[in-house]
Amino acid sequence: DTAVSQTPKYLVTQMGNDKSIKCEQNLGHDTMYWYKQDSKKFLKIMFSYNNKELIINETVPNRFSPKSPDKAHLNLHINSLELGDSAVYFCASSPRTGGNSPLHFGNGTRLTVT
Amino acid sequence: GENVEQHPSTLSVQEGDSAVIKCTYSDSASNYFPWYKQELGKRPQLIIDIRSNVGEKKDQRIAVTLNKTAKHFSLHITETQPEDSAVYFCAASSNQGGKLIFGQGTELSVKP
Repeated sequence: DTAVSQTPKYLVTQMGNDKSIKCEQNLGHDTMYWYKQDSKKFLKIMFSYNNKELIINETVPNRFSPKSPDKAHLNLHINSLELGDSAVYFCASSPRTGGNSPLHFGNGTRLTVT
Repeated sequence: GENVEQHPSTLSVQEGDSAVIKCTYSDSASNYFPWYKQELGKRPQLIIDIRSNVGEKKDQRIAVTLNKTAKHFSLHITETQPEDSAVYFCAASSNQGGKLIFGQGTELSVKP
């Protein structure tokens, strides 16, 4: 019954590979996000999309490319994976943009790059 | 841009005691302040939020206070229970900023 679902839950891969994480929300929200949580638990915003349009890109390397085919989906593709990309990636959605509405998080994707 | 500082980074209390976590923010335009609880291996979940037109909000054992002048806000948990053990995050955002900025997190441990 998860309202924001992301796959896969775990992703183990080698340096230099390309991988994708998928996210879908069934809440009817207009805005979706990707957050990165590092080993120190710090939650940092990466991207925000409002109704398929990119509105926030937080100085993320261009190896990371988000794609939103419709407002219910936001996928994240990562090229040439590096050790430092190892983290938990959370997708989230909110009813509206502007930042001042609650975020609903997915269960996270734990990415391990070896 | 917005910067949110959260203290302490770890907090250990005895069951039944109160716990207080404090956050400060830098952007005076911030007007929305949610708190999230993240249990081990799980996703962050909203537990309470407050907007800048309110000074205090309470929900059972949880309360949040906001001091706009000093630009700080706090989470208060009373009668703590072992299931309150988790990492708690404060966050702040403004209409103009368009994004929620999180504090560094507080790992709360409630000892039975």
